[in-house]
Amino acid sequence: EIVLTQSPGTLSLSPGERATLSCRASQSVSSSFLAWYQQKPGQAPRLLIYGASSRATGIPDRFSGSGSGTDFTLTISRLEPEDFAVYYCQQYGSSLSFGGGTKVEIK
Amino acid sequence: QVQLVQSGSELKKPGASVKVSCKASGYTFTSHAMNWVRQAPGQGLEWMGWINTGNGNTKYSQKFQDRVTITRDTSASTAYMELSSLTSEDTAVYYCARWRGSGWIDYWGQGTLVTVSS
Repeated sequence: EIVLTQSPGTLSLSPGERATLSCRASQSVSSSFLAWYQQKPGQAPRLLIYGASSRATGIPDRFSGSGSGTDFTLTISRLEPEDFAVYYCQQYGSSLSFGGGTKVEIK
Repeated sequence: QVQLVQSGSELKKPGASVKVSCKASGYTFTSHAMNWVRQAPGQGLEWMGWINTGNGNTKYSQKFQDRVTITRDTSASTAYMELSSLTSEDTAVYYCARWRGSGWIDYWGQGTLVTVSS
C-alpha cells in the first residue's frame, strides 16, 4: 500500500502570500493518478487538481499542481480569504489512499 | 447536475451494524464506480472501498476488509455501505464519492454522521 505523507501539517500565512504544500509518496505514483482536494469545515472535500497538474472545472488559476514520481506539490500563488482550508493529496495505484492533510490557516 | 444524496445521521451501540445509502442522480449510475471514504472527528480522509456499479465487483481497504460490505441497486441508482461490529472508533462522517475512472474522485455526497455510543 502506498503511503502519502503531507507537509507541513499546518501552514500559517497571510492573504496574498504564496502557499507551497508537499505530498510525498512511499513508492512511485503515476502522475495520472495523483489528485488534490480542498476541504472546508463542515463540507465535503472538493476536487482541485487531477493528473498531478490539471485544474478541475471552475478552479481558479492561482491553484497549480506539479511533481512526479514520489514528490508532488500544490501551489497557491496568492492566497485569497476563501483558500484557508485543509488540503489533501490522493493517489490511486493498486489501491487508493489519501495523505494526512495540510491545514492552511490565517496568520 | 450530478448529485449524491446520502441517508441521515445514525446513532448505534457498540457491536451493532450500520448501513448508509447514497442515491445518485444526474448521470448514468453504472458508468462510474462509487467509493466510500470516512473521516473521524478532527481527522483526515480514510478510504474504505469501492464498487464497480456496473458489474458489482468490489475492492476494500485491508483495514476494513472483514467488516465492510459495499453493494448497489442499479434500479434505484443507489449504493450502500454496511459496516459491522461497530466500536467508538467508527464514529465518523461517512462519504460516498464518485470515481472519475481516471484516477480521482469528482463528486462527493454530503456525508452521513455515524455515532457509536453506548
